[in-house]
Amino acid sequence: DAGITQSPRHKVTETGTPVTLRCHQTENHRYMYWYRQDPGHGLRLIHYSYGVKDTDKGEVSDGYSVSRSKTEDFLLTLESATSSQTSVYFCAIGGQHTGELFFGEGSRLTVL
Amino acid sequence: DQQVKQNSPSLSVQEGRISILNCDYTNSMFDYFLWYKKYPAEGPTFLISISSIKDKNEDGRFTVFLNKSAKHLSLHIVPSQPGDSAVYFCAASNPGANNLFFGTGTRLTVIP
Repeated sequence: DAGITQSPRHKVTETGTPVTLRCHQTENHRYMYWYRQDPGHGLRLIHYSYGVKDTDKGEVSDGYSVSRSKTEDFLLTLESATSSQTSVYFCAIGGQHTGELFFGEGSRLTVL
Repeated sequence: DQQVKQNSPSLSVQEGRISILNCDYTNSMFDYFLWYKKYPAEGPTFLISISSIKDKNEDGRFTVFLNKSAKHLSLHIVPSQPGDSAVYFCAASNPGANNLFFGTGTRLTVIP
């Protein structure tokens, strides 16, 4: 199994508060991704990183920012959480294009 | 707009019978297709993939078929086992992309 850990695994917060989710990998993989999973939508890419300090937007990036200061850590920040950001967030690492991604166990975020 | 579609949200199959999960896509540039399996409270795990230069790929009980003219792929599980009960996502990527496009998932239940 790929060494990916996400924290926190569960979080409940209030609208308007900042939230940061952390993804940590021990595989020294260049590419890291943040997805969200919602009923009726499957998994959608929020942001991804292709190296330290190199990030790009995905399909649903509005309201989210990311940072990658070290190879092993990829942070997802919601500057001001909204109820529409209630979701399960998955971090992944893996190869581009051939897409055999390895996913973390997910972080369930509830915004009240 | 959903580029990868799984039109059956759920499927129930008797143990020992064949399970057939279907997936349709709209982007003719997609050239690599994957199936992921997801258990509750876990991240998706890679199951099987197929390149667009092939029309079939087998791995044990799992076979993926690709029909490029119909923009359709399917996953066959034979024989189905209770441990196969999970949500299955199909996904696709195109050359040079750093993203996988996921379908909405099909929940498979294998009845003992």
